[in-house]
Amino acid sequence: GAVVSQHPSRVICKSGTSVKIECRSLDFQATTMFWYRQFPKQSLMLMATSNEGSKATYEQGVEKDKFLINHASLTLSTLTVTSAHPEDSSFYICSASIGADTQYFGPGTRLTVL
Amino acid sequence: ELKVEQNPLFLSMQEGKNYTIYCNYSTTSDRLYWYRQDPGKSLESLFVLLSNGAVKQEGRLMASLDTKARLSTLHITAAVHDLSATYFCAVEIMEYGNKLVFGAGTILRVKS
Repeated sequence: GAVVSQHPSRVICKSGTSVKIECRSLDFQATTMFWYRQFPKQSLMLMATSNEGSKATYEQGVEKDKFLINHASLTLSTLTVTSAHPEDSSFYICSASIGADTQYFGPGTRLTVL
Repeated sequence: ELKVEQNPLFLSMQEGKNYTIYCNYSTTSDRLYWYRQDPGKSLESLFVLLSNGAVKQEGRLMASLDTKARLSTLHITAAVHDLSATYFCAVEIMEYGNKLVFGAGTILRVKS
């Protein structure tokens, strides 16, 4: 149980384009989803927290207009990187939780912006 | 602001040896986690520690928590090559919406 999927697992795009990453909880309803970014050889940094049906809460320094988060249902959250640039290349990992329960992590999406 | 410090950041050890990774945090936490990450992969949950004095063991790994000292340790016993990975501790504070704050990670290389 408690499986979280992400799609796509890898994406390569040109600079200036937008990329959408999906995060799904497969066998449970997630009241909260989290989005993290991890640069090579670094730790995970929380980007934003999203609750179903409400606006995401972004961490300090994360541009909300650049990283659009939508949590339309209890099993799906999406992260859209708008007008991507090479510096946005990173490993993006989502997690999902039920209430105050532990977070279950997705397998991650590797974004490369050329 | 919650800070989580791990040390060492890099650990190279011989098979069969024991070692400990330390995780210090700066404020009261509700839960402390240990994760393993293999190259190119996401996180694998190892342990969740809830209360002072908690100790959990799985195979060659044992985690403990001292909330008074704000310290958790991950002890490796008789290391084997398969334990090579990056290990992260993370602290959760429910007051801040169950956010996880991660340590910098410890890269473990076990040499056979």
